Amino acid sequence: AQTVTQSQPEMSVQEAETVTLSCTYDTSESDYYLFWYKQPPSRQMILVIRQEAYKQQNATENRFSVNFQKAAKSFSLKISDSQLGDAAMYFCAYRIMNRDDKIIFGKGTRLHILP
Amino acid sequence: KAGVTQTPRYLIKTRGQQVTLSCSPISGHRSVSWYQQTPGQGLQFLFEYFSETQRNKGNFPGRFSGRQFSNSRSEMNVSTLELGDSALYLCASSLPRDSLNTEAFFGQGTRLTVV
Repeated sequence: AQTVTQSQPEMSVQEAETVTLSCTYDTSESDYYLFWYKQPPSRQMILVIRQEAYKQQNATENRFSVNFQKAAKSFSLKISDSQLGDAAMYFCAYRIMNRDDKIIFGKGTRLHILP
Repeated sequence: KAGVTQTPRYLIKTRGQQVTLSCSPISGHRSVSWYQQTPGQGLQFLFEYFSETQRNKGNFPGRFSGRQFSNSRSEMNVSTLELGDSALYLCASSLPRDSLNTEAFFGQGTRLTVV
């Protein structure tokens, strides 16, 4: 079965500190994309960062970076210098490459930023 | 460039009624996918349309249906509403799967409440 597991339903971090959100997934495919999406109270799903499974180098987008361990099927998100605007629900997800546009999502981690 | 537009934003319906939700994708995007988001189940894939054809369908009963028009706008319909259909319905649009750009852009969703 294709699944994504986010083991931390909620997390809190002090403003300006660093936090890591965990994600593991299960797929028998070898070519896929991994994503972290952010959903603030406005409900708009926003792509935070993307990783192609064939790339060994971990993706980075400003304060956001990932630790991609393909053999372990692990894809964690690190947020550095946390800001109040980072407070949101974060979803880990993947999509099989060149198959369809279906995205498989985890159940999310709610991140609180403490001032 | 306008984003993905979903209408209406909020909807309240009675059990047994039917409802139609609309999604206008980003200009140039021909793939439209629909997701149901609930606190218990998270985000679940409903179906995907490309060039007016349903390419993929999730594990939902036949009461859930959709279509896509020649201008890529999509509608989803839920008949004989049940209380459990209360959810946030999200629409996402993207370029064709063979595109180098794999990102799916989401609308702000339609919050459906069934009473």
